[in-house]
Amino acid sequence: AQSVTQLGSHVSVSEGALVLLRCNYSSSVPPYLFWYVQYPNQGLQLLLKYTSAATLVKGINGFEAEFKKSETSFHLTKPSAHMSDAAEYFCAVKPPPRSGGGADGLTFGKGTHLIIQP
Amino acid sequence: GAGVSQSPSNKVTEKGKDVELRCDPISGHTALYWYRQSLGQGLEFLIYFQGNSAPDKSGLPSDRFSAERTGGSVSTLTIQRTQQEDSAVYLCASRDSGTPSVGRFGQFFGPGTRLTVL
Repeated sequence: AQSVTQLGSHVSVSEGALVLLRCNYSSSVPPYLFWYVQYPNQGLQLLLKYTSAATLVKGINGFEAEFKKSETSFHLTKPSAHMSDAAEYFCAVKPPPRSGGGADGLTFGKGTHLIIQP
Repeated sequence: GAGVSQSPSNKVTEKGKDVELRCDPISGHTALYWYRQSLGQGLEFLIYFQGNSAPDKSGLPSDRFSAERTGGSVSTLTIQRTQQEDSAVYLCASRDSGTPSVGRFGQFFGPGTRLTVL
């Protein structure tokens, strides 16, 4: 079984400040991990993914995330927030292929609403 | 290229009626997923299709929910005898499970269908 916990349903930062969105996972096998962003009234968009290659993953729009096995974390960061970053962010986990991990569907966290203060 | 499309974008129905939601995946994507996003439950996996294999229905919440995928492309999610708790945004995603590519293991989401059951 696998699960994802996103700490903080709402995170507020000032424009230009560091963005840190936390994600911790629980999985019986080393998982694949994802961050998705959902802008108002739009579908989900893949930001970045970790699939057992480099532990520091760079995504679109200046976001990056680091896989830390010892901490079972995959926190999302961006050095300098922009007003256009305001959105809902979802961390997700799935078992790697042929791992016997059950359903291939993603398991999502409940999301973190990022608010950017001018 | 064209992304995942879903129709209708909004659906309002009366309790007890049946509804059909449609998903057109990205051309060539062999894997297709349905999720729903509701306020109380966050994002939930519903069902997964992979090529000609039997679908993974482990996420369907009740036998009122069913889905089919015709010709390995378009998928229809059917909800029979709708209940108010079925109100949610239903998201479809597709994935290229073939040769390695930017999108491998990353699911591309459609804009969703917002279902309101009165």
